[in-house]
Amino acid sequence: GENVEQHPSTLSVQEGDSAVIKCTYSDSASNYFPWYKQELGKGPQLIIDIRSNVGEKKDQRIAVTLNKTAKHFSLHITETQPEDSAVYFCAASILNTDKLIFGTGTRLQVFP
Amino acid sequence: NAGVMQNPRHLVRRRGQEARLRCSPMKGHSHVYWYRQLPEEGLKFMVYLQKENIIDESGMPKERFSAEFPKEGPSILRIQQVVRGDSAAYFCASSPVGQGQGYTFGSGTRLTVV
Repeated sequence: GENVEQHPSTLSVQEGDSAVIKCTYSDSASNYFPWYKQELGKGPQLIIDIRSNVGEKKDQRIAVTLNKTAKHFSLHITETQPEDSAVYFCAASILNTDKLIFGTGTRLQVFP
Repeated sequence: NAGVMQNPRHLVRRRGQEARLRCSPMKGHSHVYWYRQLPEEGLKFMVYLQKENIIDESGMPKERFSAEFPKEGPSILRIQQVVRGDSAAYFCASSPVGQGQGYTFGSGTRLTVV
């Protein structure tokens, strides 16, 4: 079945530096890749997503890249701020199916 | 426009009791998904429902777990005869279109079995 691996499990950066989180997926039929941010005690919130017909998508300080050949996708956060500290999850799904397969999460800490 | 509402936020049950978790989707959303999150782990799909229908329950344990989404009222995830291993955070998400897109998650119910 579908599997999503996510690395690293923890990431510490200095405020203003960039952070990169990487995921790989197993099912070549996957074509939708969202990223979620989960703050302590809250539910995951969608921050950006990408579909397989696009190689890169950017929204202010966050960007996602997708390499379909290698079956991996990455989240890039530039100019990190303390409020970016949270757990980030990648996910993959096959459009027109109904479930997301999540990675195991990355705990990002941004130090002032 | 209220988001996805889950209650209770915290639930403590003794082994052998029943747990009922409720989820009210966002207004206009007719697709509901339940996920389970164990400590330090990702979210695992459990079940996908539309009004009065279970569409995909491939992630649900075969015994003790059931889910419903009636015509009126919230979706309910029911766990009978809870065991310590059921302790987890249970998240509900809703979507207007299904197809794995446009999920909005609730804040979750944290179940502790003592």
